Amino acid sequence: DAGVTQSPTHLIKTRGQQVTLRCSPKSGHDTVSWYQQALGQGPQFIFQYYEEEERQRGNFPDRFSGHQFPNYSSELNVNALLLGDSALYLCASSPERGGLGTQYFGPGTRLLVL
Amino acid sequence: GENVEQHPSTLSVQEGDSAVIKCTYSDSASNYFPWYKQELGKRPQLIIDIRSNVGEKKDQRIAVTLNKTAKHFSLHITETQPEDSAVYFCAASNEAAGNKLTFGGGTRVLVKP
Repeated sequence: DAGVTQSPTHLIKTRGQQVTLRCSPKSGHDTVSWYQQALGQGPQFIFQYYEEEERQRGNFPDRFSGHQFPNYSSELNVNALLLGDSALYLCASSPERGGLGTQYFGPGTRLLVL
Repeated sequence: GENVEQHPSTLSVQEGDSAVIKCTYSDSASNYFPWYKQELGKRPQLIIDIRSNVGEKKDQRIAVTLNKTAKHFSLHITETQPEDSAVYFCAASNEAAGNKLTFGGGTRVLVKP
């Protein structure tokens, strides 16, 4: 049984560009949450998707958007990239309906904005 | 919103000694408190969690205690080993409100052989 997977593993973009990150949840999980982890800091909640809708959102601008597909996989899109968007982007999936229960993290996508 | 503070930011211990990391939270509605271990370049991995209906939980060399009144919880690692060296994060969430995790700033633990 594969755990949470993310792609790509690394990405380099320039300021102003747009990026799409992808996440496949653990088998049997229906809820996906996205976090941003800057170097040396704890993960910061971006948003959570359940039943193909955004359920909760953290303190991130609307340049950050997402999507969840019927198979529960999810995408994170960031528009108009800034240097400060450089970080490790983590996806986490939860085993119970509505996001309750333990969250399991993927390996992350490391984004560098130049 | 919830705010989680974690101390210390770095912790150096001799192999075999115990390590204790403390966290405080601000939102009394929080009811789920996981601890994650993150090795360099790796994903955060859950090592233990506790819910607010329990005061203490233990799993081999790892234990977590929760004081709801004081709004703080702690991670205890006994008989530390070099492979315990990593960054540890505490987190808090309100499961009834969607289980958004709010993380502490992390503790870098170094176990010296």
